[in-house]
Amino acid sequence: AQKITQTQPGMFVQEKEAVTLDCTYDTSDQSYGLFWYKQPSSGEMIFLIYQGSYDEQNATEGRYSLNFQKARKSANLVISASQLGDSAMYFCASEGYSSASKIIFGSGTRLSIRP
Amino acid sequence: NAGVTQTPKFQVLKTGQSMTLQCAQDMNHEYMSWYRQDPGMGLRLIHYSVGAGITDQGEVPNGYNVSRSTTEDFPLRLLSAAPSQTSVYFCASKTRGAGNTIYFGEGSWLTVV
Repeated sequence: AQKITQTQPGMFVQEKEAVTLDCTYDTSDQSYGLFWYKQPSSGEMIFLIYQGSYDEQNATEGRYSLNFQKARKSANLVISASQLGDSAMYFCASEGYSSASKIIFGSGTRLSIRP
Repeated sequence: NAGVTQTPKFQVLKTGQSMTLQCAQDMNHEYMSWYRQDPGMGLRLIHYSVGAGITDQGEVPNGYNVSRSTTEDFPLRLLSAAPSQTSVYFCASKTRGAGNTIYFGEGSWLTVV
């Protein structure tokens, strides 16, 4: 079975503070990937960051980093120095790399940045 | 670059009507999928395909059919629309394997009255 759990429906953060969005996953695949996507109010899905299950280093992309703890099955997104434009829905997703791989998303976290 | 193209962007259906949401990608991606997103919710997987001629059910497949006769196209058919199918539908595609970005269409807003 494949499942993504995001336990924070909504978060408020002060501008310029760092924020961590939680994501835990469950998969039977030995090899898999984890993604974070941002969805602003306009509705489009914007790719943020990717982590492969065999990557030894935590992924980073500018202000985004992924805190990957394989034993805990967690893949938290960290946004450093938050900006007003970071206000959006954030989705965690997993992809299994078996022959029948599929991509599953979590329920999302709505992040609101306060000025 | 066209990327992932979904049509129509907006549609209003009456209960019991059928319709097809079209999805096409020009990136030669093996993986294609359909998600629905209800207001304030996450994306739930309806159906997916890992290549032409191969389809499989996702998390919420009831009331929907798909086919994959070509690599490029992955239409989603609503057989008999119900108000519970009012949602935003996203088509997505990706090259199979590690890494690689998931590409999304712009979404199709469907209202069933």
